[in-house]
Amino acid sequence: EDKVVQSPLSLVVHEGDTVTLNCSYEVTNFRSLLWYKQEKKAPTFLFMLTSSGIEKKSGRLSSILDKKELFSILNITATQTGDSAVYLCAVGILTGGGNKLTFGTGTQLKVEL
Amino acid sequence: GAVVSQHPSRVICKSGTSVKIECRSLDFQATTMFWYRQFPKQSLMLMATSNEGSKATYEQGVEKDKFLINHASLTLSTLTVTSAHPEDSSFYICSARDPQGISRYEQYFGPGTRLTVT
Repeated sequence: EDKVVQSPLSLVVHEGDTVTLNCSYEVTNFRSLLWYKQEKKAPTFLFMLTSSGIEKKSGRLSSILDKKELFSILNITATQTGDSAVYLCAVGILTGGGNKLTFGTGTQLKVEL
Repeated sequence: GAVVSQHPSRVICKSGTSVKIECRSLDFQATTMFWYRQFPKQSLMLMATSNEGSKATYEQGVEKDKFLINHASLTLSTLTVTSAHPEDSSFYICSARDPQGISRYEQYFGPGTRLTVT
């Protein structure tokens, strides 16, 4: 059974802190790993990773994939209260039914003043 | 970026009735749409993959007769929850894949529909 596990489940930090969110996976037919940010409603896309060791960066957020150890991390530096959200990791897999995403349980991040 | 809308955003219905949820891709044509279900403090669980002009592919454990999916056009997919029961109360989110996008795995999500069955 395909499995995506995120840790920690939740954390609370203060503005300005740096956080690292983890995502490990055990799937067949891995194709890509995606990070999403979910606030009140729909998840919004952050990154898609397909190659090991290549960091993707967008402002204060960055992410990297290790396909040998089967995990990815999402870093957020100089956190702000607006970063408070659930961060979802999803793995893109190829199945007999087509391409689909399997999501982890998410990490609830709360950034306090 | 690509925009996906859902309607209604919130619906309350009585047990035994049916509810239809619409998912539309507003600025692109989506040959494939996905329906997810999300319980409080849990992740998104894929229910089915909807392909325009053909039958939906349901995930294991999802009752196809209870969750009817229709993808009649390149911009619209509908999910009908038939004979709803309180345990069907959940947050339903659709997503769509842009065939012109850079990846077949990148999905654009709708804002979700909160279904409450009383």
